Amino acid sequence: DGGITQSPKYLFRKEGQNVTLSCEQNLNHDAMYWYRQDPGQGLRLIYYSQIVNDFQKGDIAEGYSVSREKKESFPLTVTSAQKNPTAFYLCASMRQGAKVSEAFFGQGTRLTVV
Amino acid sequence: GENVEQHPSTLSVQEGDSAVIKCTYSDSASNYFPWYKQELGKRPQLIIDIRSNVGEKKDQRIAVTLNKTAKHFSLHITETQPEDSAVYFCAASGAAGNKLTFGGGTRVLVKP
Repeated sequence: DGGITQSPKYLFRKEGQNVTLSCEQNLNHDAMYWYRQDPGQGLRLIYYSQIVNDFQKGDIAEGYSVSREKKESFPLTVTSAQKNPTAFYLCASMRQGAKVSEAFFGQGTRLTVV
Repeated sequence: GENVEQHPSTLSVQEGDSAVIKCTYSDSASNYFPWYKQELGKRPQLIIDIRSNVGEKKDQRIAVTLNKTAKHFSLHITETQPEDSAVYFCAASGAAGNKLTFGGGTRVLVKP
């Protein structure tokens, strides 16, 4: 299914809880990204990583954390500090460098605060 | 950092007519410009891309043009069909370690 898998597809969070969204790719891509999409809105970059054990904040990193311990995996934790976490979260991976090519997206995780 | 602006935010066309979506970018170091189509509830999928050493690229009914001097690029869809109805995103990458920045999206509705 495109080589990049997100889980779960739907996630419900109670107020004050941390939750972790999974993203795994088998495309051997160095770069991985997390985006947030609100209804009728564009894709806003939360965090990205170009290499294992390194990552950079995107435009809306507050209230989120990530890790990149393995090339294949880039989990996103939505912390209790994120005041409005209900959204559709998309993970993507991409080959980088001189031969940069298309970004492949996971199927997304829809997070709802209950 | 890079800023990508996309216009219009919504576009309604009659089936068979053409649709044009325009994007501007701010970082002259960007060198890769993909376009994605997202159907309702699904993941974005690449429909066409262009690199900074090319001015125009076509793939059947879809074409993209790039003006590096003006820092803008456009998507052209000819002979639109109902299945072209979706949200389209432009993006820019290549500067600052391949940070991939998207425009705000254009919701295209093709009326039969």
